[in-house]
Amino acid sequence: KNEVEQSPQNLTAQEGEFITINCSYSVGISALHWLQQHPGGGIVSLFMLSSGKKKHGRLIATINIQEKHSSLHITASHPRDSAVYICAARRRGGSRLTFGEGTQLTVNP
Amino acid sequence: EAGVTQFPSHSVIEKGQTVTLRCDPISGHDNLYWYRRVMGKEIKFLLHFVKESKQDESGMPNNRFLAERTGGTYSTLKVQPAELEDSGVYFCASSRTPVPYNSPLHFGNGTRLTVT
Repeated sequence: KNEVEQSPQNLTAQEGEFITINCSYSVGISALHWLQQHPGGGIVSLFMLSSGKKKHGRLIATINIQEKHSSLHITASHPRDSAVYICAARRRGGSRLTFGEGTQLTVNP
Repeated sequence: EAGVTQFPSHSVIEKGQTVTLRCDPISGHDNLYWYRRVMGKEIKFLLHFVKESKQDESGMPNNRFLAERTGGTYSTLKVQPAELEDSGVYFCASSRTPVPYNSPLHFGNGTRLTVT
C-alpha cells in the first residue's frame, strides 16, 4: 500500500462544475504538495501547505493534519484545467517527496 | 528567471546501451532532486543533491545508475547499461532552501526514456 493515496484515479466533469480531488497519507509530514501535469508537459507546483487552507484563483487546497488528509478543489472548472493532479508528501525530517499516483481530470466543454 | 531545464526531452536507446540525462536547475538553487515515473506507477524519488554532495541517494534502484553534480551546478544521470525496466519519464526538480524550510519545488519537463 502506497504511503500516499489519491482518489479518484480518473474524473470527468462538465465545464463549470466544482471538482474535488482527495489525498490521504499515512506518515508524519512536514509539507504536502499539490502538483499539476499537462499532457506532454512538465510538472507545475500548485500548492505547498502544512496546515489550514490556501487559495490561488479558482484553486483551493486544504489539509487536515490530524486526519492525514488533503483536498484540492477547483471551482468553476474549465477545459483548460484538464490535466493530471498529483499530491506528494514530504516526510517530517526528510527531503524526499512520496507521490500519489495522480488523478486524471478531464473537463468537457 | 529561467526554469529547470532537462535534456534531452526524449531518448530511445537499445538495451545494453548507455544514456546520460542532464538537468540544469534554476540558478542559485542548491537543492537538486531526481525523480522518475515508470509506466503505470507513481513518481518515485531517486536522489537529492545539496550543491555537489549527495544528500540522499537511497532511491537509486541499482548500481547501473550514476548521478553527478560537479561544481554544484548542473547534474547528470547516467544509466549504464540500460535495461527495459528503466523506461519511463525522469524528472529533475530544484529548490532554493533545504528541509525544513520547505521552499517550493520547481520541476523540469522531464526526459522520456524508452529502452527497446
